[in-house]
Amino acid sequence: DGGITQSPKYLFRKEGQNVTLSCEQNLNHDAMYWYRQDPGQGLRLIYYSQIVNDFQKGDIAEGYSVSREKKESFPLTVTSAQKNPTAFYLCASSIRGSYNEQFFGPGTRLTVL
Amino acid sequence: RKEVEQDPGPFNVPEGATVAFNCTYSNSASQSFFWYRQDCRKEPKLLMSVYSSGNEDGRFTAQLNRASQYISLLIRDSKLSDSATYLCGMDSSYKLIFGSGTRLLVRP
Repeated sequence: DGGITQSPKYLFRKEGQNVTLSCEQNLNHDAMYWYRQDPGQGLRLIYYSQIVNDFQKGDIAEGYSVSREKKESFPLTVTSAQKNPTAFYLCASSIRGSYNEQFFGPGTRLTVL
Repeated sequence: RKEVEQDPGPFNVPEGATVAFNCTYSNSASQSFFWYRQDCRKEPKLLMSVYSSGNEDGRFTAQLNRASQYISLLIRDSKLSDSATYLCGMDSSYKLIFGSGTRLLVRP
């Protein structure tokens, strides 16, 4: 089955710790995206990558970092510099280019204790 | 002004009703438009793309009005299972931007 997987589904972290969220896709999509969603709110773009070894900051990149070493993988690290990291994190992918629809993974719910 | 705006609702309608949502946008250069459905605590799922000529899929119809810069989603014969949040999305500078969503509640 083709799709996007994210792990873990739930993640708990202590303040001051870095944590990495996994995102893998086997759709052969060039572009991948990370969003953050807070309760009752829309999607805010953290980082995106149109091609391997290249990525750009989105609207709320501060306190986050990414890498894109493989086409299939786009991990997101939430660093201790992110002041309010508790949120629902969604990864998406699309055929390269902004004109194409994006498909989302099931998300990771991060809670900072 | 936000790039994309949606009425948050909730729209509370009885089963069988017809309901419509709008999504206004400010970037006149946007070319691609989409409607997504998001269930509580789940990921958004693509409902339909919105073409210039409109798009219909069963009970769902999407329209684009470029002159007034909005897209619309019409749901006919609402089902209980249509209860969800509906997000609009559109392209903007090599990425998609999304509205905050409109919540629909369909009651028996």
